[in-house]
Amino acid sequence: EPEVTQTPSHQVTQMGQEVILRCVPISNHLYFYWYRQILGQKVEFLVSFYNNEISEKSEIFDDQFSVERPDGSNFTLKIRSTKLEDSAMYFCASSEGVHQPQHFGDGTRLSIL
Amino acid sequence: LAKTTQPISMDSYEGQEVNITCSHNNIATNDYITWYQQFPSQGPRFIIQGYKTKVTNEVASLFIPADRKSSTLSLPRVSLSDTAVYYCLVGAGRGAAGNKLTFGGGTRVLVKP
Repeated sequence: EPEVTQTPSHQVTQMGQEVILRCVPISNHLYFYWYRQILGQKVEFLVSFYNNEISEKSEIFDDQFSVERPDGSNFTLKIRSTKLEDSAMYFCASSEGVHQPQHFGDGTRLSIL
Repeated sequence: LAKTTQPISMDSYEGQEVNITCSHNNIATNDYITWYQQFPSQGPRFIIQGYKTKVTNEVASLFIPADRKSSTLSLPRVSLSDTAVYYCLVGAGRGAAGNKLTFGGGTRVLVKP
């Protein structure tokens, strides 16, 4: 069964540094998403992306965050200047259509020191 | 977005059927009901989605009464590996541009031997 893959599985970064989290969505999917989950808390929506542009974003997704689909297979989340509170699991998801089920990767654990 | 209410936790035993009921009193006409499962340190995994009546797949059944103000996820004959957090989500109606998923706290199901 096709799946969403995320790399790296764990990223440790110094506060203030830039970090790029990478995702390979399922190949025939058209909608892409990023979510995060702080340890012990709920899964929170960050951003959705369709047709090479952001279709919706949450208040968490401020100017420090950006997303890109640099080629036909990758979908990336960049945090420009990381803060301690950015430490979380970051999940990428994709779906075939707008109300089709979203399929999640197993996440990247981001630790900011 | 429709608010959902589900039990915080449930205990069960191997081989039993587990039924988790979710309330969504202000569900909109276009909203779908979707259930996800999440194991520790993994991304949410799609289980089942429905709009009305009953939906069944290889892992679960979803029962939705006519008024659609609640839904029940049924897991037949659970095993220890079904221990996880189960999320009920409502939304993502047709035409929604972003298909943002809003996760609540979920139901923590513990399957005992």
